[in-house]
Amino acid sequence: AQKVTQAQTEISVVEKEDVTLDCVYETRDTTYYLFWYKQPPSGELVFLIRRNSFDEQNEISGRYSWNFQKSTSSFNFTITASQVVDSAVYFCALSDLKTTGANSKLTFGKGITLSVRP
Amino acid sequence: DTGVSQDPRHKITKRGQNVTFRCDPISEHNRLYWYRQTLGQGPEFLTYFQNEAQLEKSRLLSDRFSAERPKGSFSTLEIQRTEQGDSAMYLCASSPSRLSTDTQYFGPGTRLTVL
Repeated sequence: AQKVTQAQTEISVVEKEDVTLDCVYETRDTTYYLFWYKQPPSGELVFLIRRNSFDEQNEISGRYSWNFQKSTSSFNFTITASQVVDSAVYFCALSDLKTTGANSKLTFGKGITLSVRP
Repeated sequence: DTGVSQDPRHKITKRGQNVTFRCDPISEHNRLYWYRQTLGQGPEFLTYFQNEAQLEKSRLLSDRFSAERPKGSFSTLEIQRTEQGDSAMYLCASSPSRLSTDTQYFGPGTRLTVL
């Protein structure tokens, strides 16, 4: 069975600090996808990134960066120079790769509530 | 390009009543998913459609729940004889093609409160 663990439940930082959100996953599949979503107070899940299991290159997008380490089954997310608008709940999710036409439901972690104080 | 829309955004009902939610996916997205999210938890998969065909249902989806996607466009999720345990956010997502690897894009959700 697939599982995603986000051990941190709440993180509070002061604006401009860097913050790393941890994600550890479990799967028996050799091919899979990992995702991060952001859920602001409005409730809508906003897609941030998708990474497949064959691509272990780190990725940077503006103030966001992701560190994928297959050896430790981790896919961590770092926000550099955090801003108040980054305050939200962040979810890590896992989807296995199946044949075309089959389900690819997402398995989510419990989320990390990030509060960025001015 | 408009995103996934859901209606209503909020629903308050009394225990035992039936409720129906609607989801309009992104135009031309073939796959449509329903998830349920309770307080302090991540979304949990309920069911999904490939066009009009419902291809999988979670064990979370009791026989009081039914979902349809009659013309392969919008979808409805109905809960009959609601219980207080049904109180949750119901999220709809869509993805663009038949590939299982495509990203799912979520709507704003319908928050259900059962009194």
